[in-house]
Amino acid sequence: AQSVTQLGSHVSVSEGALVLLRCNYSSSVPPYLFWYVQYPNQGLQLLLKYTSAATLVKGINGFEAEFKKSETSFHLTKPSAHMSDAAEYFCAVSRSGGYQKVTFGTGTKLQVIP
Amino acid sequence: KAGVTQTPRYLIKTRGQQVTLSCSPISGHRSVSWYQQTPGQGLQFLFEYFSETQRNKGNFPGRFSGRQFSNSRSEMNVSTLELGDSALYLCASSLGRGGDSYEQFFGPGTRLTVL
Repeated sequence: AQSVTQLGSHVSVSEGALVLLRCNYSSSVPPYLFWYVQYPNQGLQLLLKYTSAATLVKGINGFEAEFKKSETSFHLTKPSAHMSDAAEYFCAVSRSGGYQKVTFGTGTKLQVIP
Repeated sequence: KAGVTQTPRYLIKTRGQQVTLSCSPISGHRSVSWYQQTPGQGLQFLFEYFSETQRNKGNFPGRFSGRQFSNSRSEMNVSTLELGDSALYLCASSLGRGGDSYEQFFGPGTRLTVL
C-alpha cells in the first residue's frame, strides 16, 4: 500500500518569502513522487517528479523538491514566493516497477500575501 | 502534441437525471483515470481504464460507471444524479505501463452542477 500525507491544508506566505509545502509518503517499494499545481477552475499541472535519479529535483516556475528516504519526505520549496504562485498543490506517489495507481494527497492551498 | 480534452466543460443537470462526460487522452496514452474534486472531499479517485479494461476502482456507488473505447477515449456516466454529485470531474491520461509512464496529464475538467 502507498499513501501521501500533506501537512497543512492552508499555507500563507508573504510575497518574496520562502515557500515550503510538506509531503510525507509511505510506500513499501521505491516510490515515484510527483508534485502537481492546480489553479482555480483548471486541471492539475505537473510541477516536478522524482523517479529515482537525482534526489534534488528541479521543476517549473522555480520550484524544487528533495527526496529524503530516511525521512520519507518530498517537500516542495521555492526561495521567493510570487503572487502568481497562489494555487493548490498536490503531492502524489506511485511505485517503480510494475503497476500501481497514483495516489494523491489532500492538497495544500498556498496563499501569497502582498 | 494536443493535451487531454474534456467535454463538455460545464454542465447543469437536475436531480434524477443522468449525465455522460467525455475524455480524449493524449495520443499514444492508453490509461485514463477519472477523479471527482469537491471542496469538502478534495480529489477522489473514481476509476482507471487501461486498454478498454477497468484496472482500478475507487469507493463510489454503482451510479458511477465508465468505459474506454479502442481509441483510448473514455466516457464516464453518472445515473440518478444527486445534489452531492456537483463537482469538478477531472480526467487524466498516462502511458500507463512501467516506471514514470504513470505520470498523469490532466484535462481542464468538467464542472457539473446538479440542481
